[in-house]
Amino acid sequence: GAGVSQSPSNKVTEKGKDVELRCDPISGHTALYWYRQSLGQGLEFLIYFQGNSAPDKSGLPSDRFSAERTGGSVSTLTIQRTQQEDSAVYLCASSVLSLAGDTQYFGPGTRLTVL
Amino acid sequence: GNSVTQMEGPVTLSEEAFLTINCTYTATGYPSLFWYVQYPGEGLQLLLKATKADDKGSNKGFEATYRKETTSFHLEKGSVQVSDSAVYFCALSDRGGGYNKLIFGAGTRLAVHP
Repeated sequence: GAGVSQSPSNKVTEKGKDVELRCDPISGHTALYWYRQSLGQGLEFLIYFQGNSAPDKSGLPSDRFSAERTGGSVSTLTIQRTQQEDSAVYLCASSVLSLAGDTQYFGPGTRLTVL
Repeated sequence: GNSVTQMEGPVTLSEEAFLTINCTYTATGYPSLFWYVQYPGEGLQLLLKATKADDKGSNKGFEATYRKETTSFHLEKGSVQVSDSAVYFCALSDRGGGYNKLIFGAGTRLAVHP
């Protein structure tokens, strides 16, 4: 497709369950970022991938959060033992790195609700 | 650390009014600066950007100038329309490490009424 896609668009889960969120970046974009948008914290960086490697995981809020990227393309963000404070919109963005400042293209997000 | 501060909303304007949304930043080095917009029910879209001091980003009638001396990147539009109603986010790219982790402001909601 032409843009970044994410699935599911909405996910409702019960506290304690695991969830997987998927991101399909724009073809050819080597950089991939995950962000979280929540009422209390605004927009926060979670993790950055360059190819399949994640040199910056500094924004992951706890060890319940993990992410991987395969084939330099699709990425999955996994949240284990979900908590109510994990409820947020999870955004994925991809870009082509540039020293001048890459333009990140965002997906529509996955709205996660933990009951 | 690096941070972005933008004016709190909501900002409510009449159609054709002049818009300013203030944004200031704290950063080491020379970040790139961005304005992103989120229309109701839609994802984040890049509105404009500037990559060095005194650069002016512009798009869809919106403008912002990278002012290093005042560490600001205020968003302006001369005549807003109802369709501009959205949430606007100022952001900087923290380029430490050669990649561009975005640090966002809290967002400013703009409501334009006829």
